[in-house]
Amino acid sequence: QTVVTQEPSFSVSPGGTVTLTCGLSSGSVSTTYYPSWYQQTPGQAPRTLIYNTNTRSSGVPDRFSGSILGNKAALTITGAQADDESDYYCVLYMGSGISVFGGGTKLTVL
Amino acid sequence: QLQLQESGPGLVKPSETLSLTCTVSGGSISSSSVHWGWIRRPPGKGLEWIGSIYYSGTTYYNPSLKGRVTISVDTSKNQFSLKLSSVTAADTAVYYCVEYYNSLGFFDLWGRGTLVTVSS
Repeated sequence: QTVVTQEPSFSVSPGGTVTLTCGLSSGSVSTTYYPSWYQQTPGQAPRTLIYNTNTRSSGVPDRFSGSILGNKAALTITGAQADDESDYYCVLYMGSGISVFGGGTKLTVL
Repeated sequence: QLQLQESGPGLVKPSETLSLTCTVSGGSISSSSVHWGWIRRPPGKGLEWIGSIYYSGTTYYNPSLKGRVTISVDTSKNQFSLKLSSVTAADTAVYYCVEYYNSLGFFDLWGRGTLVTVSS
């Protein structure tokens, strides 16, 4: 069974830049997996940030960007703010109507 | 403005069936470009895709849950539903209904979520 991998945790300084990644236990992530990214803060429903690798969802600031870096999908946050402190999840589309979540990255801003 | 709202019992006994409904308002569940899905987050764990349905009734399920999950749609009520059978404590989670763009594999609009606890 294919596992979608993410860093369990990451930290960034206020105003800094951080790149979170999304990989596969076997193989490389490409645009054909249509990577998407979601932000979830405690007690809130997830918010869609990025879909189709690099398309920002409506209302998402351009501080958030998506890309493919090497063999992984990536979410880059520039000018990190205190309220960016959240859990971040990637999703890869495996085909046949099936999407798989990564385990999530807990981002700390300090 | 499209909105999704989950409803259903917050407490289910072990071995019984969990049943939730999602009501779509501000738009039609019969939209040709959209699927509708369920996602959950157990306490202390990450998000898990459960499955999705198209208004025609075509379904897709997480293989790890297949056999216990049934998703159905009622276009006359603009609702879709989740049934999860033979539940255990491991099925305790916040359950979200979502608008799912199957062609691009992403979830766009999310409901606020509802906590379902499995306990006797």
